[in-house]
Amino acid sequence: SQQGEEDPQALSIQEGENATMNCSYKTSINNLQWYRQNSGRGLVHLILIRSNEREKHSGRLRVTLDTSKKSSSLLITASRAADTASYFCATDAGGNTPLVFGKGTRLSVIA
Amino acid sequence: EAGVAQSPRYKIIEKRQSVAFWCNPISGHATLYWYQQILGQGPKLLIQFQNNGVVDDSQLPKDRFSAERLKGVDSTLKIQPAKLEDSAVYLCASSPGRDTGRKTQYFGPGTRLLVL
Repeated sequence: SQQGEEDPQALSIQEGENATMNCSYKTSINNLQWYRQNSGRGLVHLILIRSNEREKHSGRLRVTLDTSKKSSSLLITASRAADTASYFCATDAGGNTPLVFGKGTRLSVIA
Repeated sequence: EAGVAQSPRYKIIEKRQSVAFWCNPISGHATLYWYQQILGQGPKLLIQFQNNGVVDDSQLPKDRFSAERLKGVDSTLKIQPAKLEDSAVYLCASSPGRDTGRKTQYFGPGTRLLVL
């Protein structure tokens, strides 16, 4: 079964607004990653946050991790039409354990 | 740096036929993954190679799916015979090392398979 579950399943916002997506998971993790997938394309790595980190920034992206609640959030600030894509969280339990992806959040940014 | 290459990009076959997908990972990447992504879902790992050895194939339907990575570089994934439920995008990814937790995975564009 898949580890991460993103919420909401779909999100539609106006250009310039902020977009927040959440990910919940069930078991202990070593790292959590966020990936983006444009329609008909492969996944692109956005950011990795380790289990001992609480917040991380990369450009317009901000990721938080709350291991006590087994949840993470991805915030995209000042969204652009080009941010329209599906966003997936992926977790691993360390060592050689595989990445397990959630079902994703489909983000639509309307110009 | 060239990315992960996959071919073909699209394939349409009838059920019970065979199909093969090819992947060329990023040069120097030791670890190679094949994922199946059904419409509306996240990728599901089918098999993971470390160089030319299999690390994890626990979710590979071995009665119909097979994969190999000769010489620890290119890889092929085969389905024989295909079923309707195999319709999906097959993604190949690679990463530099063994520990998936610390290594970003780099994905190819995928092969979209439709089984009629």
